[in-house]
Amino acid sequence: AQSVTQLDSQVPVFEEAPVELRCNYSSSVSVYLFWYVQYPNQGLQLLLKYLSGSTLVKGINGFEAEFNKSQTSFHLRKPSVHISDTAEYFCAVSVSARKTSYDKVIFGPGTSLSVIP
Amino acid sequence: GAGVSQSPRYKVAKRGQDVALRCDPISGHVSLFWYQQALGQGPEFLTYFQNEAQLDKSGLPSDRFFAERPEGSVSTLKIQRTQQEDSAVYLCASSLGPLNEQFFGPGTRLTVL
Repeated sequence: AQSVTQLDSQVPVFEEAPVELRCNYSSSVSVYLFWYVQYPNQGLQLLLKYLSGSTLVKGINGFEAEFNKSQTSFHLRKPSVHISDTAEYFCAVSVSARKTSYDKVIFGPGTSLSVIP
Repeated sequence: GAGVSQSPRYKVAKRGQDVALRCDPISGHVSLFWYQQALGQGPEFLTYFQNEAQLDKSGLPSDRFFAERPEGSVSTLKIQRTQQEDSAVYLCASSLGPLNEQFFGPGTRLTVL
């Protein structure tokens, strides 16, 4: 079975500083990897996804993530955060499309990013 | 519509009451998913529809939970005899096909007193 770990439940960071949100996953089969963002009182929005190919994935709002198969990690980074980046961030996995007939997504517990002015 | 909509946005129920939560997916989206998000947790899969067919209901926590999508568009998640542990945000997502990006609604926050 697949699972996702986000070790940092809360990450405070000053505005314009860099940030890294950590994500590790476990799976016995190949997976797709995602980062979602959830702003207060809103639904989840896809930031970026890794399906195959280049291990460095660029997403919206200046975020990027790097897939590391040997470390089973998919950490999210941004070189300079803004106040508007304050939100909850969820790492997620889904089993490769070859294994299932639909995209069943397993979410991590989330990391709350607070950007301090 | 422009996105996935859910209603009501907030629901307070007394323990033992039945509730019905509605999801309006993006027009033309074949796939529809329901998730439960407890406070401080990530969403957890409840059930999946492809058109009107419920292909996976393995995540429904008990037989008090029931979902339907009779015409392959709007879906309703019904919870009978609500319990305090049912308090959570219920998220609906739709996608063009079973392997496409899922678009999420704003959720319904259910509080059971």
